[in-house]
Amino acid sequence: GQQLNQSPQSMFIQEGEDVSMNCTSSSIFNTWLWYKQEPGEGPVLLIALYKAGELTSNGRLTAQFGITRKDSFLNISASIPSDVGIYFCASWMDSSYKLIFGSGTRLLVRP
Amino acid sequence: DAGVIQSPRHEVTEMGQEVTLRCKPISGHNSLFWYRQTMMRGLELLIYFNNNVPIDDSGMPEDRFSAKMPNASFSTLKIQPSEPRDSAVYFCASSPSSSTQYFGPGTRLLVL
Repeated sequence: GQQLNQSPQSMFIQEGEDVSMNCTSSSIFNTWLWYKQEPGEGPVLLIALYKAGELTSNGRLTAQFGITRKDSFLNISASIPSDVGIYFCASWMDSSYKLIFGSGTRLLVRP
Repeated sequence: DAGVIQSPRHEVTEMGQEVTLRCKPISGHNSLFWYRQTMMRGLELLIYFNNNVPIDDSGMPEDRFSAKMPNASFSTLKIQPSEPRDSAVYFCASSPSSSTQYFGPGTRLLVL
């Protein structure tokens, strides 16, 4: 079935460092979504990508939709302690309403 | 907008008891989703409603789980009887016309 593979599983970085994480699949997707989940809260949508090659920024966050449509990456520049959380990529299964999620990248930021 | 509202935020109950989780979707959203999140299995879709009608309940684990959406502003997920393996975080999400989903804060359920 369709699966999203996220890496790395976790990152422990120093405040101020840049962060890069990615999401890959053997299947082609038409949309890539990036969510952040903070401790004790639900996932919050950060960025949505709708076209192959698209590069979109949201403040210090930048995400790209891979040209093969099988991958996406998320970069965070100049990390701060409030960036702590789990970052999930997601997309729709077979162009249906069903969202599938990657296993998440857990980010910890050392002040 | 208040976002998706879920209650209770935390629930601790004993095995065999009935548990009812509640969700108020974002006004104007016509799709509603119930998810379960565990460390082992991540986020799993349990059931999907469109215009208050259950469209896909294939993710509901067992007959002990049931969900209703009596109107556009309210949904419930019921577990009866509850078991320890039901312990998880349950999320409700809503979206306009099956597009981007907005999640509630979740209900943390612990079944002893």
